[in-house]
Amino acid sequence: KAGVTQTPRYLIKTRGQQVTLSCSPISGHRSVSWYQQTPGQGLQFLFEYFSETQRNKGNFPGRFSGRQFSNSRSEMNVSTLELGDSALYLCASSLPARDTDTQYFGPGTRLTVL
Amino acid sequence: AQKVTQAQTEISVVEKEDVTLDCVYETRDTTYYLFWYKQPPSGELVFLIRRNSFDEQNEISGRYSWNFQKSTSSFNFTITASQVVDSAVYFCALENNAGNMLTFGGGTRLMVKP
Repeated sequence: KAGVTQTPRYLIKTRGQQVTLSCSPISGHRSVSWYQQTPGQGLQFLFEYFSETQRNKGNFPGRFSGRQFSNSRSEMNVSTLELGDSALYLCASSLPARDTDTQYFGPGTRLTVL
Repeated sequence: AQKVTQAQTEISVVEKEDVTLDCVYETRDTTYYLFWYKQPPSGELVFLIRRNSFDEQNEISGRYSWNFQKSTSSFNFTITASQVVDSAVYFCALENNAGNMLTFGGGTRLMVKP
């Protein structure tokens, strides 16, 4: 079974631009979560989508948004990029079923904002 | 609010030594789930184990073992006879019953020297 895939793997943008990252979950998984990893703040939860609806949201500004399509693929968008948005963005998928709700992570997209 | 603390930021051992990574958590929930993930230099988070709050049995998987103690809110991870390939950053994480939102500890960087 193919794992979680994320595209692109690397991205360089300049301040003020916007960016869209894509995540394809493991086949059959319906929940997709996004996390931001920075050296200063560590791993932080951004949001979770299930059945095309945002089910949970972390403490990030409105510049960070996402969506999920009917095939469970998900995108996240960051508008008006700031230098502090430079990070590794990780996507994770899970079934979910309460007793087997393990999240499996993709390789991440490394975003650099100049 | 939930919190996960990994007090050891970096550990260095020589191959074949045993090493224990500490994890202490805080939560008000009675039902919760604990995880360990491994992050090699490639960046992808690799799932190692999931435990629910009602299952305090210790677990052993090859050279890996986990000790869950609810009384001290700890979920420690031991690698027996460490190998160079074990070098990575290890994250402990906590999830409550409200959905797929992992709260991560700061991570422990393990370096195994030959």
